[in-house]
Amino acid sequence: GAVVSQHPSWVICKSGTSVKIECRSLDFQATTMFWYRQFPKQSLMLMATSNEGSKATYEQGVEKDKFLINHASLTLSTLTVTSAHPEDSSFYICSARAEGAAYNEQFFGPGTRLTVL
Amino acid sequence: EDQVTQSPEALRLQEGESSSLNCSYTVSGLRGLFWYRQDPGKGPEFLFTLYSAGEEKEKERLKATLTKKESFLHITAPKPEDSATYLCAVEGNAGNMLTFGGGTRLMVKP
Repeated sequence: GAVVSQHPSWVICKSGTSVKIECRSLDFQATTMFWYRQFPKQSLMLMATSNEGSKATYEQGVEKDKFLINHASLTLSTLTVTSAHPEDSSFYICSARAEGAAYNEQFFGPGTRLTVL
Repeated sequence: EDQVTQSPEALRLQEGESSSLNCSYTVSGLRGLFWYRQDPGKGPEFLFTLYSAGEEKEKERLKATLTKKESFLHITAPKPEDSATYLCAVEGNAGNMLTFGGGTRLMVKP
């Protein structure tokens, strides 16, 4: 149980294009999903928290107009990197918290490697 | 502001050589301390949640313990397949988010 998937697992795009990453909770409903960014040999950096049916809460320094987050259902959240540039190249990881969970036990997806040329 | 510090940053062990990883934390009201394992190019895999000082949890060769200031991840007789980065995170009363430490990169040589 508690499986989270991400799609795609990797993507290469040209500078200026937009890329959408999907995060799905496969066997549970997730009221809250989180999006992280991870640079090589560094720990996870929280970008934003999304709750089903409401606007995402972005961490300080994260551009909400650049990183669009949609949490349309209890099993799906999407992150769209708009007008991507080489500095947006990174490993993006989502996590999900089960509906009704008393504590913040998050289950992570396998990550998406984004490379912007 | 919640803070998590993990040590050492990297640890090399011979197969069978037991050791411990440290996670020191400061948090405004601990709601939970979490251990994850992360393999290169993959998302973190959940290992344990600890809620209160004195609590211990075990899974195969891993044992996690918790005090009011730190947590230890003990690895008994490690195998090469235990090689990974181990991440510690805390949730405090301040908000619905995890604060992660920098991780410990464990390498177990056969």
